[in-house]
Amino acid sequence: EIVLTQSPTTMAASPGEKVTLNCLASSSVSYMNWYQQKSGASPKLWIYGTSNLASGVPNRFSGSGSGTSYSLTISSMEAEDVATYYCLQLSSYPLTFGSGTKLEIK
Amino acid sequence: QVQLKESGPGLVQPSQTLSLTCTVSGFSLTSYSVHWVRQHSGKSLEWMGRMWSDGDTSYNSAFTSRLSISRDTSKSQVFLKMNSLQTEDTGTYYCARIEGAFAYWGQGTLVTVSS
Repeated sequence: EIVLTQSPTTMAASPGEKVTLNCLASSSVSYMNWYQQKSGASPKLWIYGTSNLASGVPNRFSGSGSGTSYSLTISSMEAEDVATYYCLQLSSYPLTFGSGTKLEIK
Repeated sequence: QVQLKESGPGLVQPSQTLSLTCTVSGFSLTSYSVHWVRQHSGKSLEWMGRMWSDGDTSYNSAFTSRLSISRDTSKSQVFLKMNSLQTEDTGTYYCARIEGAFAYWGQGTLVTVSS
């Protein structure tokens, strides 16, 4: 099973601040997907194929990485970005999610 | 449009069997697969298993011995059955269509295991 470790677990950013969330895989994966989950809601696909934004995702978001190290970056934090972000690997079974990064606003 | 909706009992007694139904619309189960994902309150997401479009199934080994996924294509429904429930099985259960570039999730159904 591929274990995905996300860091930080929780972070708070000021409006306009650049934010980077990390996802480290225990074995190499072909690509990474990211989900955004707001309180009380179902997860939403946010980034797919490592760096492609899902429909409707603002272009202040970006994704990068390869092998075992992936990241999601917000170029300028906004209040609506408050959520928990999960990485998901689809390269091998069982599919696994990261433990999540809870992003708050200062 | 693509929709998935979970249904089932909100409360299950310990040691009993959980039965959930995922009713889909906007696509055919013979063309797309459906996954089941669980989330403990305030915790991360856990992939449970998958019903493939050809009727085959894949399971997370953490659940293999007590989990079963089946379907009724005529009713556009996918079923999850899990036996020997314990309090740690309490959580929100989602069915989802997860593909590389697209993902559609149900609203989730909260299952509480308690006597």
